[in-house]
Amino acid sequence: SAVISQKPSRDICQRGTSLTIQCQVDSQVTMMFWYRQQPGQSLTLIATANQGSEATYESGFVIDKFPISRPNLTFSTLTVSNMSPEDSSIYLCSVEDHWTSGGNEQFFGPGTRLTVL
Amino acid sequence: ILNVEQSPQSLHVQEGDSTNFTCSFPSSNFYALHWYRWETAKSPEALFVMTLNGDEKKKGRISATLNTKEGYSYLYIKGSQPEDSATYLCAIAGRGSQGNLIFGKGTKLSVKP
Repeated sequence: SAVISQKPSRDICQRGTSLTIQCQVDSQVTMMFWYRQQPGQSLTLIATANQGSEATYESGFVIDKFPISRPNLTFSTLTVSNMSPEDSSIYLCSVEDHWTSGGNEQFFGPGTRLTVL
Repeated sequence: ILNVEQSPQSLHVQEGDSTNFTCSFPSSNFYALHWYRWETAKSPEALFVMTLNGDEKKKGRISATLNTKEGYSYLYIKGSQPEDSATYLCAIAGRGSQGNLIFGKGTKLSVKP
């Protein structure tokens, strides 16, 4: 299984500012995913980030609000732009293991807990 | 759009009790079901990936079953221990979008010593 780290682990930010979250994987992976979990809600996919192409965003999420970079096969960043209190969430990155039989398995980072004041 | 329901929302048990949770999902367009265990400030830990109707998987004291025809999965913990305290997440992947996991809200388990 892949080992994934995220920075920062938590942050408290002011309304209107932006925060960039980093995700580092210990092996090369094709697909990386960004999720968020708002308080009391389910983990929800924001976008899929493939190296060498633009990220694919899910319904309700747009690139201007959540720009993503994927410069190589082991690293990705998610920026939460022009933050409001509604962006307070746990943000997680994950990667997919293509070699697991019987279904693709995803491994998650420890998350970034963001509070927007 | 897939909708995943988990019950109960939270559960408090005594050490040594056995317990189980439910994950319900639409049976159409099903591809795979994932169970995760998520402790605070840690990464969600993958427990099981299940795809076939009737699948049963086991990992130590934890086991899971899958019924794709009626759209549910059960997760069982035998002889709960305080270290089992965590939120247990169920997620579904649909056909054609296997990378997009649709999660339930989870069941938060607290095991008292």
